[in-house]
Amino acid sequence: DVVMTQTPLSLSVTPGQPASLSCKSSQSLLQTNGKTRLYWYLQKPGQSPQLLIYDVSNRFSGVPDRFSGSGSGTDFTLKISRVEAEDVGVYYCMQTIQLPVTFGGGTRVEIK
Amino acid sequence: EVHLVDSGGGLVQPGGSLRVSCAASGFTFSNYEMNWVRQAPGKGLEWVSFISRSGNNIYYADSVKGRFTTSRDNAKNSLYLQMNSLRAEDTAVYYCTRDPGDGSLDYWGQGILVTVSS
Repeated sequence: DVVMTQTPLSLSVTPGQPASLSCKSSQSLLQTNGKTRLYWYLQKPGQSPQLLIYDVSNRFSGVPDRFSGSGSGTDFTLKISRVEAEDVGVYYCMQTIQLPVTFGGGTRVEIK
Repeated sequence: EVHLVDSGGGLVQPGGSLRVSCAASGFTFSNYEMNWVRQAPGKGLEWVSFISRSGNNIYYADSVKGRFTTSRDNAKNSLYLQMNSLRAEDTAVYYCTRDPGDGSLDYWGQGILVTVSS
């Protein structure tokens, strides 16, 4: 199975400040078709996970442009340029290059 | 607007059975692959199962293989998860998720709690 490792476990951020979350996979997520199967989700308190980023760096419909994804191969980053109160929750990365689909353990973001 | 509504959860004894359902609306259900993902209380996300658009291809996590069965009824816009031989470690919120075929799970149901306990 592809192991997804997220760091840090938690992050406390002052509103308006940036945040950077890391996700590393145990093997490359690059497919032969050139796409990289890495996704980011945010699970707000008491809610279902919601898709933020697909294929490493593409924002899903309605996702604010303060969220950006980058990386390649096995190392990926989600950046929030200016954290807002509504961004609190747990962020998960996910891979779908092979079954079973696997998720990282999550990074909890809170507001200072 | 895409809606996925999970239902059918509850309390069941170890060794028992339960079926959870997902009602889809706002999109052409038969055009999408679907998955089940679960989340144990206070824990992270765990993929459970995938089903293709026609229902001909189904895959399971090793942790549920042989005990859980995923199916769909495209005429009823519904997804099902039949869970047998339930164990305490199956206690979780179960989410149905839509898969547009590009690898993402783009929409999720609200989740339904299944508790396995005596």
